[in-house]
Amino acid sequence: DAGITQSPRYKITETGRQVTLMCHQTWSHSYMFWYRQDLGHGLRLIYYSAAADITDKGEVPDGYVVSRSKTENFPLTLESATRSQTSVYFCASSESRAGLAQYFGPGTRLLVL
Amino acid sequence: DQQVKQNSPSLSVQEGRISILNCDYTNSMFDYFLWYKKYPAEGPTFLISISSIKDKNEDGRFTVFLNKSAKHLSLHIVPSQPGDSAVYFCAASGGLTNAGKSTFGDGTTLTVKP
Repeated sequence: DAGITQSPRYKITETGRQVTLMCHQTWSHSYMFWYRQDLGHGLRLIYYSAAADITDKGEVPDGYVVSRSKTENFPLTLESATRSQTSVYFCASSESRAGLAQYFGPGTRLLVL
Repeated sequence: DQQVKQNSPSLSVQEGRISILNCDYTNSMFDYFLWYKKYPAEGPTFLISISSIKDKNEDGRFTVFLNKSAKHLSLHIVPSQPGDSAVYFCAASGGLTNAGKSTFGDGTTLTVKP
């Protein structure tokens, strides 16, 4: 399907486990982003990528790892999940020109027990 | 230090009236400003944007105003409809070190009452 998809949509895991959230976009957008949304904090940028094999930290990168071997995929890995990483995670993509809108996926709701 | 602030967590208006959502920013290097709308259990969707070289941009019922000297922007929705009830995020982007990224405010929850 065209657009941006995230999987899984819901995930329950335990403290200390590794979790990978997937993001796939079909537009061949250069930029991809991972955000987390917590009550009272809006959208906080975790990591972003300007192109394949180019990634950079955002505002809250600790405890997360990303990779981007292909333009269309941008997985986010929680290496050792903690309760504080319970959140809703959104992936987004955009073209490279400044000021263009980002297109968001539907989100993954993660609960860490 | 939060660079984009939405000081009103919530706003309630009557159907048919005007909704005004406000946003302040601190970084004078921002040169694009965007508004996103978010329904529960969905991702945000782009609504309208404005370049810093303009002071107004209009799209149907939605108008964004930019006051650069005050570092303030606002989103006007006229007339408001119950389907406009959602969380609205203000975002800013641009500047030499910000290419491609946006900084988001915490959002304002708009409720439009029938």
